[in-house]
Amino acid sequence: DIQMTQSPSSLSASVGDRVTITCRASQGISNYLAWYQQKPGKVPKLLIYAASTLQSGVPSRFSGSGSGTDFTLTISSLQPEDVATYYCQKYNSAPFTFGPGTKVDIK
Amino acid sequence: QVQLVQSGAEVKKPGASVKVSCKASGYTFTSYYMHWVRQAPGQGLEWMGIINPSGGSTSYAQKFQGRVTMTRDTSTSTVYMELSSLRSEDTAVYYCARDKGYYDSSGYYYYGWFDPWGQGTLVTVSS
Repeated sequence: DIQMTQSPSSLSASVGDRVTITCRASQGISNYLAWYQQKPGKVPKLLIYAASTLQSGVPSRFSGSGSGTDFTLTISSLQPEDVATYYCQKYNSAPFTFGPGTKVDIK
Repeated sequence: QVQLVQSGAEVKKPGASVKVSCKASGYTFTSYYMHWVRQAPGQGLEWMGIINPSGGSTSYAQKFQGRVTMTRDTSTSTVYMELSSLRSEDTAVYYCARDKGYYDSSGYYYYGWFDPWGQGTLVTVSS
């Protein structure tokens, strides 16, 4: 099975900072990658699909890139409401594995 | 709008079974596969399995093989997830999530991302 890893596992940044989260697949998955945001006590929310397509309604400060095995999620200007855990996920085939998550908070 | 509404919280004893429901509305139920994902307290997201609401076929994560059963009722647009032989480590929030895939012209199904998600069902396993 393909394994998904994320780095860092957590980060603390200031409001307005540019934040980058990396996701790596153990084998190539083309662009079959999604990013989800989960705020404390809430349901996961889709941010990006097909590695770089922004879900409708998601602020444009979020962006995704990558293909194959290496992917990134970027928040161009961190806002207080972005405090959350971010998960990447492969969806090309079963098992639909999630990364372990990256917890983002405000410094 | 597309909505998934799950059944309420459950408390079960070790060794028992639990059955969680997920009622879909706002779209054609049989056109999209459905997943189940769980999240133990303070932990990440764990994919459990997928069901095709059209034909009822399923695929389960190896970890849950033999303990999980996913079914559907097309008359009520509801999918179910039953987990048996419960142990304390099964204490978690269980989510259903629609697969945003599609069928091509030859009938082949391409999997997609998960959207939307149900509100989650807390299952507590305790003696």
